[in-house]
Amino acid sequence: AQTVTQSQPEMSVQEAETVTLSCTYDTSESDYYLFWYKQPPSRQMILVIRQEAYKQQNATENRFSVNFQKAAKSFSLKISDSQLGDAAMYFCAYRSPLGGSQGNLIFGKGTKLSVKP
Amino acid sequence: NAGVTQTPKFQVLKTGQSMTLQCAQDMNHEYMSWYRQDPGMGLRLIHYSVGAGITDQGEVPNGYNVSRSTTEDFPLRLLSAAPSQTSVYFCASSYRGGSRETQYFGPGTRLLVL
Repeated sequence: AQTVTQSQPEMSVQEAETVTLSCTYDTSESDYYLFWYKQPPSRQMILVIRQEAYKQQNATENRFSVNFQKAAKSFSLKISDSQLGDAAMYFCAYRSPLGGSQGNLIFGKGTKLSVKP
Repeated sequence: NAGVTQTPKFQVLKTGQSMTLQCAQDMNHEYMSWYRQDPGMGLRLIHYSVGAGITDQGEVPNGYNVSRSTTEDFPLRLLSAAPSQTSVYFCASSYRGGSRETQYFGPGTRLLVL
């Protein structure tokens, strides 16, 4: 069974600085999808970025980018020019391309990011 | 598109009461699922559905029931509420296959069982 591990329960960053959130996963599959979701105090789960495992190029979305290391099974999220609105819980998630119960999202336990003004 | 909607936003129940959490999506997604979120536990899958008439259990199904009579709706029923079911519940939906794998989440329902 696949697992997702976020080893940093809490992180802190100064406004305008850069921070990297770590995520590792365990799988025997060669094709899969990885996601970072943001959960602000409103509790809404917001997709930040996604990565297909077959793509070697790291995904980017404005100030958010990932460092996808397939061999190391690592999927870290880099937030550049941090803003106060980036303060939230961040969840890393894995999804198999297979159907049935194997196709569900598997989440890490989250990293709480604080942004200091 | 309204996306994924959930009602109610907040509910207080007494132990032993039953209720239904509603979830609807207007994106014609075949895949829908229910998660619960507890402090320090991340999100855990309760039940999921791969299409109308097809449902299956996730990681923590005990005490919950689901049905999927239409593509749009996927209600979650608490049969006899227990304090251990105090949690935040999220409904999510997606297509399956290729670049359409992203799951979209509803705003959540906060449930307190006394």
